[in-house]
Amino acid sequence: KNQVEQSPQSLIILEGKNCTLQCNYTVSPFSNLRWYKQDTGRGPVSLTIMTFSENTKSNGRYTATLDADTKQSSLHITASQLSDSASYICVVSVNTGGFKTIFGAGTRLFVKA
Amino acid sequence: NAGVTQTPKFQVLKTGQSMTLQCAQDMNHEYMSWYRQDPGMGLRLIHYSVGAGITDQGEVPNGYNVSRSTTEDFPLRLLSAAPSQTSVYFCASSYSTDNSPLHFGNGTRLTVT
Repeated sequence: KNQVEQSPQSLIILEGKNCTLQCNYTVSPFSNLRWYKQDTGRGPVSLTIMTFSENTKSNGRYTATLDADTKQSSLHITASQLSDSASYICVVSVNTGGFKTIFGAGTRLFVKA
Repeated sequence: NAGVTQTPKFQVLKTGQSMTLQCAQDMNHEYMSWYRQDPGMGLRLIHYSVGAGITDQGEVPNGYNVSRSTTEDFPLRLLSAAPSQTSVYFCASSYSTDNSPLHFGNGTRLTVT
């Protein structure tokens, strides 16, 4: 069964600290993996997209990694800011064309001053 | 830059009532889709469209209808609302289904009593 599991469910960190969010998937055949940021009351916004051949991609203070062999991805946030408080969603696409995408339930990040 | 616009933002319905959730995008994207987001779960695909005049079912299509008469608009119709349809609904568009990001609207929060 195609699944995307994220951990932890929630996380509290102090402003300025780094953190890493995890995503494990059992999706096959793999097409790409995306990370989205969802602020409260808003729609998700794309952070990164990685294909099978890419093992790291950065977007400002956000760096995503992908290990296609172990089917794991991580999102590293550097020097966190209060505005990083949001849910972070991992999404894996199946390589069958069309809209076969599996969404993780997200990690809720709280950054405290 | 409007992007993807959803209306209304909030809606309360009684069981058995019908309504249409509106979605419009101004990016000339061919691909549009509807998702529902429930607590503790990942977004689930309801219906999608790969172009004007073409629609298809997603993971959870029962109780919902869609149409795509223009590239810009993709309304979602609830035929006879049920309490199980209480959720937050997101519309998204993308340039392609491959490695393009999904652009989400800010959602419609629907409560069915």
